[in-house]
Amino acid sequence: QQQVKQSPQSLIVQKGGISIINCAYENTAFDYFPWYQQFPGKGPALLIAIRPDVSEKKEGRFTISFNKSAKQFSLHIMDSQPGDSATYFCAAVIYNQGGKLIFGQGTELSVKP
Amino acid sequence: DSGVTQTPKHLITATGQRVTLRCSPRSGDLSVYWYQQSLDQGLQFLIQYYNGEERAKGNILERFSAQQFPDLHSELNLSSLELGDSALYFCASSPYPQGNTGELFFGEGSRLTVL
Repeated sequence: QQQVKQSPQSLIVQKGGISIINCAYENTAFDYFPWYQQFPGKGPALLIAIRPDVSEKKEGRFTISFNKSAKQFSLHIMDSQPGDSATYFCAAVIYNQGGKLIFGQGTELSVKP
Repeated sequence: DSGVTQTPKHLITATGQRVTLRCSPRSGDLSVYWYQQSLDQGLQFLIQYYNGEERAKGNILERFSAQQFPDLHSELNLSSLELGDSALYFCASSPYPQGNTGELFFGEGSRLTVL
């Protein structure tokens, strides 16, 4: 019940294309869903986060879509750029459990020029 | 730069040995978290400290221990090391003791290789 399942494991997209990463969860106690971006040799960094009472959140080229009934959420990267090449992790957290993030397995994104 | 400092960046040691990983949180952050990142297990929460006190425990082995000192830096001690302990160990910090929307500031990690 504590798992967050993420797909695909890896993704290759052409420059200018749309990258889509999907996640699913079981535990309805989760109340925030952040996405982290990790470049090689660096630690994960928060990209964008969403609450389950919001169906969509957009920040620049990054959009999270949330389907509460299906217990699924996804990250869309519009106009993908080579600089977006990184590993992306979805995560879930219960607010009063602080920073105990439950991470998905990660998606390695490669954007080709 | 997240403001979280971890040392050492790389560490190679032998099975059965003991190592200590160190973390300095962002200035003003009272909470420190330790995560383990491995290829097969992904990113796993190990333990959280807030202002010197243990607040939450995750999948941390009994051979591992941590503490947070009065100056707020934290150390993760790994003993009786096994090959399977080889991983990236991340420290993260936040200003909050519990309530958190999932925003943590991660260091660059300590890569441990056990031979």
